[in-house]
Amino acid sequence: GAVVSQHPSRVICKSGTSVKIECRSLDFQATTMFWYRQFPKQSLMLMATSNEGSKATYEQGVEKDKFLINHASLTLSTLTVTSAHPEDSSFYICSASEPTSGSSGGTDTQYFGPGTRLTVL
Amino acid sequence: GQNIDQPTEMTATEGAIVQINCTYQTSGFNGLFWYQQHAGEAPTFLSYNVLDGLEEKGRFSSFLSRSKGYSYLLLKELQMKDSASYLCAVRDSNYQLIWGAGTKLIIKP
Repeated sequence: GAVVSQHPSRVICKSGTSVKIECRSLDFQATTMFWYRQFPKQSLMLMATSNEGSKATYEQGVEKDKFLINHASLTLSTLTVTSAHPEDSSFYICSASEPTSGSSGGTDTQYFGPGTRLTVL
Repeated sequence: GQNIDQPTEMTATEGAIVQINCTYQTSGFNGLFWYQQHAGEAPTFLSYNVLDGLEEKGRFSSFLSRSKGYSYLLLKELQMKDSASYLCAVRDSNYQLIWGAGTKLIIKP
């Protein structure tokens, strides 16, 4: 399957600072990437869909001014958590879609990066 | 509304077989995915079904019945490393992925 990298894997920061997380598709081009957040023992929550060359589409309840997304190239999307607060501490995961084929037909499958664990003190 | 239902937790024995069910009610259907997620890690893709029937991939198989809004993931010859959460996700008519809450599978020796 496709490989997606994410950096950094772990970050600890002080309240009020901004944190940038990078998501890269390593062996394919991704016009669409997705950003998720996952709190402990909870399911994935889609935050936004990142589209190369255009504005991201944010899910309801996600503040676009707080979670800045830039998808500047076909292999890189960044998420910046601005003025982070302790309640923003979470596991942030990106994914990128790549076409896959199989006996059940072809589709775009989301492949996930390894995630970034953010702790805001 | 749209929802995906999976059991919260299941327990099985090493070497045995376990079936994890997923039922869905979504606006349209454009495929169903199963992902595995180990604690503290990101999900990894397991399988994709869009046509009715069984897809087999080694020890893992996934089944789909569109008329019943039902899928299952079958894991054979269970190994301790199979202890993880298994996520069911359905792509709706808008090509949005709707995620289930996941089933935590505990494997006992």
